[in-house]
Amino acid sequence: AQSVAQPEDQVNVAEGNPLTVKCTYSVSGNPYLFWYVQYPNRGLQFLLKYITGDNLVKGSYGFEAEFNKSQTSFHLKKPSALVSDSALYFCAGGAGTASKLTFGTGTRLQVTL
Amino acid sequence: DAGITQSPRHKVTETGTPVTLRCHQTENHRYMYWYRQDPGHGLRLIHYSYGVKDTDKGEVSDGYSVSRSKTEDFLLTLESATSSQTSVYFCAISERVFTFGSGTRLTVV
Repeated sequence: AQSVAQPEDQVNVAEGNPLTVKCTYSVSGNPYLFWYVQYPNRGLQFLLKYITGDNLVKGSYGFEAEFNKSQTSFHLKKPSALVSDSALYFCAGGAGTASKLTFGTGTRLQVTL
Repeated sequence: DAGITQSPRHKVTETGTPVTLRCHQTENHRYMYWYRQDPGHGLRLIHYSYGVKDTDKGEVSDGYSVSRSKTEDFLLTLESATSSQTSVYFCAISERVFTFGSGTRLTVV
C-alpha cells in the first residue's frame, strides 16, 4: 500500500527566510507527487507536481520542490517566505495514472514578521 | 473552485438519519473522488469513480455509499449518520491533477 508522510505538524519561519516543508513517500513503481495548500475554510489548491523529468519542480507562488528518488523525498521549498504563505500544506502521492492519491497528514506553516 | 461545486456547504444532522452530499463538475473529467478531512489524518479517500456507474471503495468506505449516474454528478450518501462521520468532506475531479471543491462541513449530533 502506498503512503505519504509529513513528519512535522508545524513549521515556523520568519518572513524573508527560506522555508522547507518535508515529505517522504512510499509508492510502488514511478511516483506521481503533488503539493497542495489549504487556506482556512477553503478547499485545496494545487501548487506543483512531479510526474517525470527534472528533479526540481517549480510551481505557483514561488514554491518549488525537489524530488529525491534515493531518499524517497519530495520536500517543498521557497527561498523567501511571506506572511501570506501561512497555511496548511499537504503532500500527496500516487502511482501509475494517479487515479488515487494518498495524502500526508498536513503541515501547518506559520510565517511571522 | 472553478468547474466543481459541492452542496450543501454546511449541514447539521441527527444521528441515524440519511444524508446525501452532492458533487457537480462541468469539466467532463472521468475521475471523481470523495475525501474526508479530519485533524491529524489529513485527507482520506472514501470512494472514487472512474466513469458513469463505475465506482470503487477507498480506505474509509464503511458507512458510505456513492452513485454516479451522470458524468457530471457524484453523490455521497451516509445511510445512517453517526457522530464519527462529523467531518469536512471534499470532492475532487482529476485528469492527472486533482481539483478540489470547496468542501461540505457536516456535523452529526
